[in-house]
Amino acid sequence: GIQVEQSPPDLILQEGANSTLRCNFSDSVNNLQWFHQNPWGQLINLFYIPSGTKQNGRLSATTVATERYSLLYISSSQTTDSGVYFCAVSGGSNYKLTFGKGTLLTVNP
Amino acid sequence: SAVISQKPSRDICQRGTSLTIQCQVDSQVTMMFWYRQQPGQSLTLIATANQGSEATYESGFVIDKFPISRPNLTFSTLTVSNMSPEDSSIYLCSTLSGGETQYFGPGTRLLVL
Repeated sequence: GIQVEQSPPDLILQEGANSTLRCNFSDSVNNLQWFHQNPWGQLINLFYIPSGTKQNGRLSATTVATERYSLLYISSSQTTDSGVYFCAVSGGSNYKLTFGKGTLLTVNP
Repeated sequence: SAVISQKPSRDICQRGTSLTIQCQVDSQVTMMFWYRQQPGQSLTLIATANQGSEATYESGFVIDKFPISRPNLTFSTLTVSNMSPEDSSIYLCSTLSGGETQYFGPGTRLLVL
């Protein structure tokens, strides 16, 4: 199956800083999503982005499908951005998502 | 996007017992999924819940341990049977909405003593 690697595994920022999270995948995909898991365990959809670039407020994402990676940018980070960020992909018609191990982001005031 | 609810939100159970988790979607959906997230780990797909047929299980998960029902297009249940402390996890259901985007329920936190 498809392998998903995320980096860095942990990231500590001061409020206001910018960051880039990376997701590498081992095969072609037709679905790539970024999620934020808050401290209460809720998975929040950030982006559905199998290719191209999208922006939503302080967050943006870029997927370069031909090179098998995706980037999530967080600008002007806030303490509420803390949590785990997951990249998840699927490569077939079954829509089954394979998750990376996540990046644990801590934003300090 | 689909709105998904799960019951219970959390539970503490004794080993050897079983717990049934309910997942309700606010609209009819074709595909529903069940995932497990062990403490400090990522999410792993348990099975795809198919309406009108048996669930499709992933490698390492079996029907006897995780029986799944899908009686209609808005509802599914996952039972964790004969529980052991290793079953302590967050269990999440998800569905596709708006094409290929998956949305997740709030999860059920299970602690087995």
